[in-house]
Amino acid sequence: KAGVTQTPRYLIKTRGQQVTLSCSPISGHRSVSWYQQTPGQGLQFLFEYFSETQRNKGNFPGRFSGRQFSNSRSEMNVSTLELGDSALYLCASSQLAGGDNEQFFGPGTRLTVL
Amino acid sequence: GESVGLHLPTLSVQEGDNSIINCAYSNSASDYFIWYKQESGKGPQFIIDIRSNMDKRQGQRVTVLLNKTVKHLSLQIAATQPGDSAVYFCAETSGGYQKVTFGTGTKLQVIP
Repeated sequence: KAGVTQTPRYLIKTRGQQVTLSCSPISGHRSVSWYQQTPGQGLQFLFEYFSETQRNKGNFPGRFSGRQFSNSRSEMNVSTLELGDSALYLCASSQLAGGDNEQFFGPGTRLTVL
Repeated sequence: GESVGLHLPTLSVQEGDNSIINCAYSNSASDYFIWYKQESGKGPQFIIDIRSNMDKRQGQRVTVLLNKTVKHLSLQIAATQPGDSAVYFCAETSGGYQKVTFGTGTKLQVIP
């Protein structure tokens, strides 16, 4: 069974631009969560989607948004990029929503904002 | 607000020794705890989990201990191997939502 895939793996953008990252969960998994990982803040929860609905959201500004499609694939978008948005963005999928379901992480997308 | 923190940022151990990685959490409502391993260039990988109604759980070469009284979690790795070198994160969730709070991470270095 294929794991969680994320595209692109690396991305370089400039301040003010916007970016869209994609995540394909493991087949059969309906929950997708997004995390931001930086050396200073560690791993921080962005949001979680289940059956195309956002179930939970972390403490990030409205520039960060996401969506989930009927095939469970998910995208996240960051508008008006800032230097501080440079990070590794991780996607994780699980079969069901709920905090006690094992999450499987993808390799991440490394975003660099210049 | 709630936080999950780690006591030591870096831990160096000799190959074959046992490793103990500690984690403190502050949310008394936390009911599910997970340890993840992250190798360079990869996403976190699930190691072992434990629910708040348990105080110990064992896996293959790993044991997680939970002390709810002092809000402390530890990961024990037996007979540490070079392949165990990675960053280890503790994480917790509370309630029925898929919101996971991660600790800051401990880097485990295995000395051959």
